[in-house]
Parts: sequence; structure tokens; C-alpha cells
Amino acid sequence: QKEVEQDPGPLSVPEGAIVSLNCTYSNSAFQYFMWYRQYSRKGPELLMYTYSSGNKEDGRFTAQVDKSSKYISLFIRDSQPSDSATYLCAMSVLSGSARQLTFGSGTQLTVLP
Amino acid sequence: GAGVSQSPRYKVAKRGQDVALRCDPISGHVSLFWYQQALGQGPEFLTYFQNEAQLDKSGLPSDRFFAERPEGSVSTLKIQRTQQEDSAVYLCASSLTVRVEAFFGQGTRLTVV
Repeated sequence: QKEVEQDPGPLSVPEGAIVSLNCTYSNSAFQYFMWYRQYSRKGPELLMYTYSSGNKEDGRFTAQVDKSSKYISLFIRDSQPSDSATYLCAMSVLSGSARQLTFGSGTQLTVLP
Repeated sequence: GAGVSQSPRYKVAKRGQDVALRCDPISGHVSLFWYQQALGQGPEFLTYFQNEAQLDKSGLPSDRFFAERPEGSVSTLKIQRTQQEDSAVYLCASSLTVRVEAFFGQGTRLTVV
């Protein structure tokens, strides 16, 4: 079993819809949680990060972390065709020199105009 | 430049050939990571540098993989005697030493034929 599991998708929604993307994890040592967006043939682009349980909002994006359930979510409001991409959750342990990210496998999102 | 730069963008190698992939991180970023991303999967950690010191190479899949960062800036990932299973996108990321969020380059797509 992978340390981070992510809904595989693909997910297709109409423009303007609310999108919910989710990941679960098994390593309780994870303290830092990130969402990356990756367009085709591009590198991952950092969208949001948080290190605590609760919600964090940035424009149309809301990241939610529930450490007790080991569950994180990314919500996209008023989705746009330009949001079509693969969304990757990523997590990290903050200890010593450990800084590497553990990623989910990604959810491919298509927003239809 | 302002972002992480990787070269070449695409590399086709014959099986058994040695390859070298270059990463130029964001100026001032002490931490540098290499990840391997197979088709349809999330990136997987290969190795981590803090300045010129390679602090973690636990993700390198075999002794054919070697990474260096001799002056604490540019890094090179070398793969000796390439195999078909080495075909993937190799991503480089950098971050400020005290921050976990990493910024990725566009990657090098390696195809071994």
C-alpha cells in the first residue's frame, strides 16, 4: 500500500462547477501538505501548502486538512477550462534534514466549456 | 532566470548508453531535489542535496544512478548503462533550506530505446 493514495480520476466537470480532489495518507509523521498542479509536459506548479489541520483559502482554491482522519482535500470553486490539468497532493515530514515530498499519483481534471 | 531550469528537455538514449541531466536551481536555494516521474504517476523522490552535500540518496533505484552538486548550485544526474525501465521524466526541484515547499523545473523526458 502506498503512503499516499489519491483518487485516480479522470474527472470531467462543466465550467463553473465546484471540484473536490482528495488524498488519504498512512504516515502520521507527515506534517506539511501541499497541492501541485501539473499541465501536460510541464513540471508541477505549487498551488497551496499548509502545515496544520483546518482550511486555507486562496482565491478560488481551498485546501482542507484533517489530520485525525489522515485526509486532505482541495476544492476549486467556479472551475474554469484553464484549470484542466493533473492535480497532485504532496506531503512531507519536517524533521532533521528530511525535506523530500511524497506524492499521490495525481487526479486528471478536465473542465468543459 | 527566475525558475528552475533543466536541460535537455528531451533525451533519447540507446539502451546501454550513459546520460547526464542538468539542473540549474533558483538562485539562493540551498536545497535541491531530484524526482523521477513515470507516465501517469506522481513524482518519486530520488535524492536530496543541501548545498554541495548529498544528504539523502535513498531513492536512487540502483548504483547506475549518480548525482552531484559540486559547487552547491548546478546539479547533474547521471545514469549509466541506461535500461528501458529508466524511461521517465526526471524532475529537479529547489527550495529555501528552511522552507518545505519546492519549486520544480519542467523536467527532462528520457526515452531509452
